[in-house]
Amino acid sequence: DAGVIQSPRHEVTEMGQEVTLRCKPISGHDYLFWYRQTMMRGLELLIYFNNNVPIDDSGMPEDRFSAKMPNASFSTLKIQPSEPRDSAVYFCASSRRSGVTIYTFGSGTRLTVV
Amino acid sequence: AQKVTQAQTEISVVEKEDVTLDCVYETRDTTYYLFWYKQPPSGELVFLIRRNSFDEQNEISGRYSWNFQKSTSSFNFTITASQVVDSAVYFCALSEAGGTTDSWGKLQFGAGTQVVVTP
Repeated sequence: DAGVIQSPRHEVTEMGQEVTLRCKPISGHDYLFWYRQTMMRGLELLIYFNNNVPIDDSGMPEDRFSAKMPNASFSTLKIQPSEPRDSAVYFCASSRRSGVTIYTFGSGTRLTVV
Repeated sequence: AQKVTQAQTEISVVEKEDVTLDCVYETRDTTYYLFWYKQPPSGELVFLIRRNSFDEQNEISGRYSWNFQKSTSSFNFTITASQVVDSAVYFCALSEAGGTTDSWGKLQFGAGTQVVVTP
């Protein structure tokens, strides 16, 4: 089991550019979560999917953020246009409802917007 | 709404001392899960322990132990005989295991407690 795979690990971009973060969940997990971690707000849930369908996107900060899950093995989080205040570590996690519920997190993407 | 409070911002200990991390939670669900995660300086989030709301038995796993008390909505975590490698931020988290798809799964984190273990 390769775990949850996120790419890229680090991203530095200029303000106004589009940023796309990628996530591959653990095979067999039917839930996928995107979290953002900042010093000011800690770990906050942005959006989560069940069986590729978005369930709750109330944590998405504004329309500049969008997330998709076109299939069970891939999800993207896009920021367009990016702003310096978007600088944070973005984590993807996956889980399954059946059996033992454990949330497995990816290594995170450290985003810096200059 | 669910809420997790970790009142301790930072705890500093000398190696081999015990460390107890406090966690208080709020939830309206009767069925829920509680977790502890560790975030070392490298940044990844590492799963440590999980507890169901219907199982208040406290356990010990190696140097880790936890004290779950529903009556006080607390889920405290203890590291026995701390080591320098235990230096990290520790997060308590709660997820409600509601019956519907819409209510299941949100993992709410506390603010975290920084543990510093010095030799």
